Amino acid sequence: GAGVSQSPRYKVAKRGQDVALRCDPISGHVSLFWYQQALGQGPEFLTYFQNEAQLDKSGLPSDRFFAERPEGSVSTLKIQRTQQEDSAVYLCASSFSHSTYEQYFGPGTRLTVT
Amino acid sequence: AQSVTQPDIHITVSEGASLELRCNYSYGATPYLFWYVQSPGQGLQLLLKYFSGDTLVQGIKGFEAEFKRSQSSFNLRKPSVHWSDAAEYFCAALSNFGNEKLTFGTGTRLTIIP
Repeated sequence: GAGVSQSPRYKVAKRGQDVALRCDPISGHVSLFWYQQALGQGPEFLTYFQNEAQLDKSGLPSDRFFAERPEGSVSTLKIQRTQQEDSAVYLCASSFSHSTYEQYFGPGTRLTVT
Repeated sequence: AQSVTQPDIHITVSEGASLELRCNYSYGATPYLFWYVQSPGQGLQLLLKYFSGDTLVQGIKGFEAEFKRSQSSFNLRKPSVHWSDAAEYFCAALSNFGNEKLTFGTGTRLTIIP
């Protein structure tokens, strides 16, 4: 079946612009995660949803970052007033339930802020 | 603080040679442990996981990993590498106390020479 998809795959934004990154999880997957991967680093946790409930947003670096999953499927990560330090690959992952612990990752969105 | 360490940033091996990638974790209790592989432009793919039980776990693509509690390690091995194994490898851990977020190491880049 289809895996996790993310769009756009690449995004260039000028400093100060707002961006929205989309994640389509695997159908039926309850949990959805966002990670940020800076160049040469491992992914770092941003936030986590179980269905439409955002259970953990402790990794969001500032109040400029906002994520939502209003109907418990597609999720959007929004970054307001982008800064150069926001340049990274943003990875989305989903898992079937909170007890399976296997996260399936999308290809990521590479954000470059100029 | 909970952390995952991959001591080797970059490893080069000859095709057909054996491989071992190191991973150490620092957690209050033994976490769930994972190895992921990331090829250029691709998402993270799960190679194998350890939750409990047999300390030698088999994964996809001929990889295996051994959990050693005394050394807080979860090293990845392959007896004979193929050119297609060239990629970035990430060790990750997940606390088994209901928090689903993965903590990743910084990754090891594997180069294969003919």
